[in-house]
Amino acid sequence: GAVVSQHPSRVICKSGTSVKIECRSLDFQATTMFWYRQFPKQSLMLMATSNEGSKATYEQGVEKDKFLINHASLTLSTLTVTSAHPEDSSFYICSANRNRGGGNEQFFGPGTRLTVL
Amino acid sequence: QKEVEQNSGPLSVPEGAIASLNCTYSDRGSQSSFWYRQYSGKSPELIMSIYSNGDKEDGRFTAQLNKASQYVSLLIRDSQPSDSATYLCAVGVYNTDKLIFGTGTRLQVFP
Repeated sequence: GAVVSQHPSRVICKSGTSVKIECRSLDFQATTMFWYRQFPKQSLMLMATSNEGSKATYEQGVEKDKFLINHASLTLSTLTVTSAHPEDSSFYICSANRNRGGGNEQFFGPGTRLTVL
Repeated sequence: QKEVEQNSGPLSVPEGAIASLNCTYSDRGSQSSFWYRQYSGKSPELIMSIYSNGDKEDGRFTAQLNKASQYVSLLIRDSQPSDSATYLCAVGVYNTDKLIFGTGTRLQVFP
């Protein structure tokens, strides 16, 4: 149980284009999902919290107009990187929150490696 | 600024030995701690969650949490080469569902 999928796994795009990443919880419903970014040899940095049916909450320093998040259903959240630039190249990972008895646990998708040329 | 501190390693242990990983955190209100394993180029995988003071065992893994000391540890018994990975400590941010991650400890288990 607690499987999270992410698509695409890898994308290469030209500077200025927009890229959409999907995150799905396959065997449970997730009212809350999270989007992280990880640069090489660094830890995960939380970008935003995605709540089903409401606006996402962005962390300080993350541009909400550049990283558009939509949580359309209890199993799907999408992240759109608008007008991508080379500095946006990174490993983007989503996670979904699942309640398991004592508390909530986050289960991660396999990640999307974005390369902007 | 809430922080989670881990020794970056690498921690090298021989196969069959016990690997001990440690983590401290600054958020006094945190009620939960987690250990994730991350292989190179892959996303993190949850291996242990702990919410109460004391020990929690799951197979070869034992997590220990001390909220008063803001300290959490992970022991891996009978370490295997396949355990070689980066281990991320994460703690819950008080009154939210968010997690703060440490930078990870790289574990190397040699045959």
